[in-house]
Amino acid sequence: AQSVTQLDSQVPVFEEAPVELRCNYSSSVSVYLFWYVQYPNQGLQLLLKYLSGSTLVKGINGFEAEFNKSQTSFHLRKPSVHISDTAEYFCAVSEWTGGFKTIFGAGTRLFVKA
Amino acid sequence: KAGVTQTPRYLIKTRGQQVTLSCSPISGHRSVSWYQQTPGQGLQFLFEYFSETQRNKGNFPGRFSGRQFSNSRSEMNVSTLELGDSALYLCASGPGTSGYNEQFFGPGTRLTVL
Repeated sequence: AQSVTQLDSQVPVFEEAPVELRCNYSSSVSVYLFWYVQYPNQGLQLLLKYLSGSTLVKGINGFEAEFNKSQTSFHLRKPSVHISDTAEYFCAVSEWTGGFKTIFGAGTRLFVKA
Repeated sequence: KAGVTQTPRYLIKTRGQQVTLSCSPISGHRSVSWYQQTPGQGLQFLFEYFSETQRNKGNFPGRFSGRQFSNSRSEMNVSTLELGDSALYLCASGPGTSGYNEQFFGPGTRLTVL
């Protein structure tokens, strides 16, 4: 069965510092990996996704993530954060079995301080 | 292109009542998924509909049901409401042809059960 573990529930960081949000997953079949962001009182927005090919994936707003199959990880990184990056970030795994089912991690709240 | 819309945005009900939530997907999208988001449980998959057929279902009791119409609009119904059903209900639409399709989320309906 699929599961997604986001290793940090909250990550405080100063503006312009680098950040890494960690995500590990487990699945018995091939999966597709996603990172979504949720700003207060809004729905989720896709940051990036990994389907296949290059293990380094670039997304919007300067974010990137690296897929590591041996460690079953898909950590999200940004070299320099802004106040506006303060939001909740969700790692997700989608499994296709004739219909798809997406399992989300518990979320990591990124708090960027001035 | 208009985004995913959900109505109503806010809803207050009492225990034992039933509720119907509506979701209009992005034009051309045939897949609609529903999620329940709570502080304690995070984002949990309810079900996915594609071309009026339920293709996948999460682990929720039978009180939670849904349907999809020929125009891809979807409704979710919760009968015999319980206090624990208080949550943000998110709808997401997508092409639905593969697990790597991006999902586009609506702003959600916040349901409060008193």
